[in-house]
Order: sequence, then C-alpha cells, then structure tokens
Amino acid sequence: KQEVTQIPAALSVPEGENLVLNCSFTDSAIYNLQWFRQDPGKGLTSLLLIQSSQREQTSGRLNASLDKSSGRSTLYIAASQPGDSATYLCAVKRRNTDKLIFGTGTRLQVFP
Amino acid sequence: SQTIHQWPATLVQPVGSPLSLECTVEGTSNPNLYWYRQAAGRGLQLLFYSVGIGQISSEVPQNLSASRPQDRQFILSSKKLLLSDSGFYLCAWSEGRINEQFFGPGTRLTVL
Repeated sequence: KQEVTQIPAALSVPEGENLVLNCSFTDSAIYNLQWFRQDPGKGLTSLLLIQSSQREQTSGRLNASLDKSSGRSTLYIAASQPGDSATYLCAVKRRNTDKLIFGTGTRLQVFP
Repeated sequence: SQTIHQWPATLVQPVGSPLSLECTVEGTSNPNLYWYRQAAGRGLQLLFYSVGIGQISSEVPQNLSASRPQDRQFILSSKKLLLSDSGFYLCAWSEGRINEQFFGPGTRLTVL
C-alpha cells in the first residue's frame, strides 16, 4: 500500500530564505508526482507535476525534484516571500490508476 | 481554458437532513471527476471518482453517494447527514494519460 509522508509538518521562516520541503513515498512504482498549494479555506492549486521519467521541473521560484528509486521528492522555494505562506501537499499517481495518494502536507509560514 | 465550479461555498445543515453538492467543469470534454473530503487536521480523503457519465467508483463506504448525470457535472449527495460528515469537500478534474488534477474552490459543510 502506497504511503506518502511530508516532513516537516510545519515550518516558519523569515522572508528571503531558500526552503526545501520533503515528500517521501513507499512504493517507487509511480507514474507521476504532483505538488499543490492550499491557502486556508481554499481549494488546491497545482504547482508542478513531475513525470516518473523526469528528474525535476521548474516554475518561477519553484523547483521540484524526483528521485523515484529512493522514494523522494523535494520542493525547493527560492527567496521565500510572505505570499508563499500556505500548506504544501504532494501527491503520487500510480500506474494503471487515475487516483492520487496525498501526503498530509507541510504548513509554511513566511514572516516579513 | 478550463474552469471548475462548486456550490454552495458554505453550508450549515442539521443532522439527518439531506445534502446535495454540485460540481461543474467547463472547457473540457469527458474529464475524470473526483470528490474529496478534507476533515479538520486530516489529509485529503478520496470519496468518489468517475471516468464517464453514470460511472461512479466509491472509495469509502458511508452514507454519501455520487452521481454524474452529465459529462461535466458531478453531484455529491446524502439522504441523512451525520455529524461526522462535516468537513471541506473538494471536487477535482483531470484528463488524458498524464492525469494532472485540478481542484475547485471547495464547499465548507458544517453539520450541527
């Protein structure tokens, strides 16, 4: 059974720091991995999707990497800003299924 | 571009009352559709998903049901709500082989 873990559960940093959020999964037979952002009381916003054949994806100040063999993905946020404050969720999709398995998230607070 | 709508945005219902939450997607055809629930302090739980009209897969046995009367419409229902049904309900869609999921704004349900 696939399990997805995110560490840390919460993170509070001053503005300007470079951050690394971690996502681990127990079954390496994934099809892709998706990172989401969720603001309080809102839906999820898709940030990046990495296919199993890819090593990383970049969007602006965000960079997501994938090491399928070790069951890990990291989300790197450069030069963090207060507007980055949110909960970040990772989710994996296995082959031959349309379902995502979600981690429990990392709550990020960036203070001025 | 594709958009996804959910309504109502918030709902307060007494125990034992019926429920109907609606989700519609615009700008795509034959999407996969999903209902998730996010309870306070817990992760996202997949409730139902649908790969086509009239095709519903249930992930969690409970007093909720789902229907897909039209290609881009997904409805979550209950005949009698329980206190434990309180939570944040999210609808999502995806398409194609990559299956990147996109989420709606959510419905906050409080059962009293």
